[in-house]
Formats: sequence, structure tokens, C-alpha cells
Amino acid sequence: EVQLVESGGGLVQPGGSLRLSCAASGFTFSSYWMHWVRQVPGEGLVWVSRIDSDGRSTRYADSVKGRFTISRDNAKNTLYLQMNSLRAEDTAVYYCARDADVTVAGSPFDYWGQGILVTVSS
Amino acid sequence: SYVLTQPPSVSVAPGQTARITCGGNNIGGKNVHWYQQKPGQAPVLVVYDDSDRPAGIPERLSGSNSGNTATLTISRVEAGDEADYYCQMWDTLSDHWVFGGGTKLTVL
Repeated sequence: EVQLVESGGGLVQPGGSLRLSCAASGFTFSSYWMHWVRQVPGEGLVWVSRIDSDGRSTRYADSVKGRFTISRDNAKNTLYLQMNSLRAEDTAVYYCARDADVTVAGSPFDYWGQGILVTVSS
Repeated sequence: SYVLTQPPSVSVAPGQTARITCGGNNIGGKNVHWYQQKPGQAPVLVVYDDSDRPAGIPERLSGSNSGNTATLTISRVEAGDEADYYCQMWDTLSDHWVFGGGTKLTVL
């Protein structure tokens, strides 16, 4: 059974840093691209970042570029999101999600974690 | 950047058909995916590549895509279909993924 479990969320002050983790199990983690998606409570889904299978290629939404860093440790089956210079508008539930098919550009996200809340406030 | 436009809400009586649209410039030339999200839960993929269904998704949910509009159709709507629905596609120019703003489906 595919499982994605996020951790590392919580309350942080503006300007602070936080690292989210997403532990993957039930599939060959190193064969899949992975994504982070966030959702402000009561609002819609927003794509944040993606990383390819071996971690060499990354992409970021304009709103987080230069502040967030996505990475992965395939030996530990874990995806990360390092978030620096956090702002109030980064407050959201953060989901990790699996890209369904690395051989198909623009494939959907077929498995999602349960989400972890990040609150940026003084 | 590419924009996907969804109506904020759609209401339908049980047993009727709900149609949720997703508008975008020449979206018919792109692969569109749809997600269902119930309160307090993670999104679930319900339609991918315009009209394919993942295993376990009922045939009552179907998708189409042409011109400037993609549509998720839910036939014989049930109370359990009440949820937020999001369309999504990959913007080839920016190499970013884009979500629509979401549509809240209310079953009357």
C-alpha cells in the first residue's frame, strides 16, 4: 500500500525556517517524481514545487522561488521541503504528492499525504 | 502564467447530473486532471488525461475536454459526491503545474 506521511510542520515566526519531511512507503520511491502542494485553510490547492527521480532537476512556483528548496534522499525514501524566510502568506496545509508516471510529461498526482499544517505568525 | 477558471459552486439534486467546468485558453490541447477533496481530507484523483478514471472511481464520474473548456460530469449524483473539485494541468511553457480555483459541489 502506497503511503506518504508528512511531518515537521508547526508554528514559526515570520522570517524563520522550517523543514518538512515526507516519508514514503509501499512503492519504489526512487522511480517517481514528487511534488509539494499547499492549501491555505478554506482556499484552493496551489502547486509549490517538484523534484525529479534522482533529485537533479527541480521546479518552483514563483511565490516560493529563492526561499524554498525541495530535495530528496532516495536511500531513506524521504522527500523534503526546506522553507526559509517564511511569511504569513506561507501559512497553509502542505501536502506531498506522487507524480503518477515519470515517462509521461504532465502526469497527474496519484497519491497524496494527509497534509501538515504550517503556521507563520508572531 | 496559465490560468484555469472554475465556478465557485455548483448545486444539484440527488439523482441529477452535475457538470463542473474548467476554463483555459485552448485547454482542449492539454491533458486535464480532476481531484475530489472532502473536508479535512487530502485530494483524491478522480479523472486523469481528460477522461480516464483511476481504479476504484465509479463510472458515474467522467470527463471531457475541448476548445477552451474541460468538464467533469457526475451522473446520478449522490450525497457522498458533495466535495470540492479541482482541475489541474501542466503548463508546458513554464514547466509548472496549475490548479483551478476549485468548485464546491453541493447536493441539495
